Amino acid sequence: QVQLQESGPGLVKPSEALSLTCSVSGVSISRSHYYWGWIRQAPGKGLDWIGFIYYSGSTYYNPSLNSRVTISVDTSKNQFSLNLTAVTAADTAVYYCARLLSSGYSASWGQGTLVIVSS
Amino acid sequence: DIQMTQSPSSVSASVGDRVTITCRASQDISTWLAWYQQKPGKAPKLLIYEVSNLQSGVPSRFSGSGAGTDFTLTISNLQPEDFATYYCQQANSFPRGITFGQGTRLEIK
Repeated sequence: QVQLQESGPGLVKPSEALSLTCSVSGVSISRSHYYWGWIRQAPGKGLDWIGFIYYSGSTYYNPSLNSRVTISVDTSKNQFSLNLTAVTAADTAVYYCARLLSSGYSASWGQGTLVIVSS
Repeated sequence: DIQMTQSPSSVSASVGDRVTITCRASQDISTWLAWYQQKPGKAPKLLIYEVSNLQSGVPSRFSGSGAGTDFTLTISNLQPEDFATYYCQQANSFPRGITFGQGTRLEIK
């Protein structure tokens, strides 16, 4: 059974970069035909997709964040990561990592990690 | 971009009631629609995919219907554990994007 776990700083200063890692267990990222993604939820708000990476390495980013976001995979550690640059208070949110099927749905999520952007 | 609009934003109901939540897409998304349940402090849980397919382990009191731009989630015989926030999600443009509705909060009357 696949499990995902986010990790990273809970507090980031404005204008700096937010970096999170999702550790995956139960399946090999590089050998399965899944998409691995990041979705966030601002406090009291709905869900917004950030981006996805396919097991082959292809990436897809939300156009609203495209210039600031990078998602990468470390197959040796079975992890994938999110890097979001030049953060502002608007980036304060719970960040979830998720595994998505080729159909675009996710039945596997991490527990989420709250990142606050504040000086 | 495809926009997803849910209604109502919140609804109050009692245990045993039947509740229907609506989701409307800004353009035709065929049957590329899912429903999620989210409880406070928890990650979303996939309930239904491709409009009407129940995810494994989800009780049969949950059902979905629709196609094109209009979709519904129906919960029959509400149970105490069903009180949560529900989101629809379109996957018509996946992997170039997905969109969630703004959520419907189901509260105990």
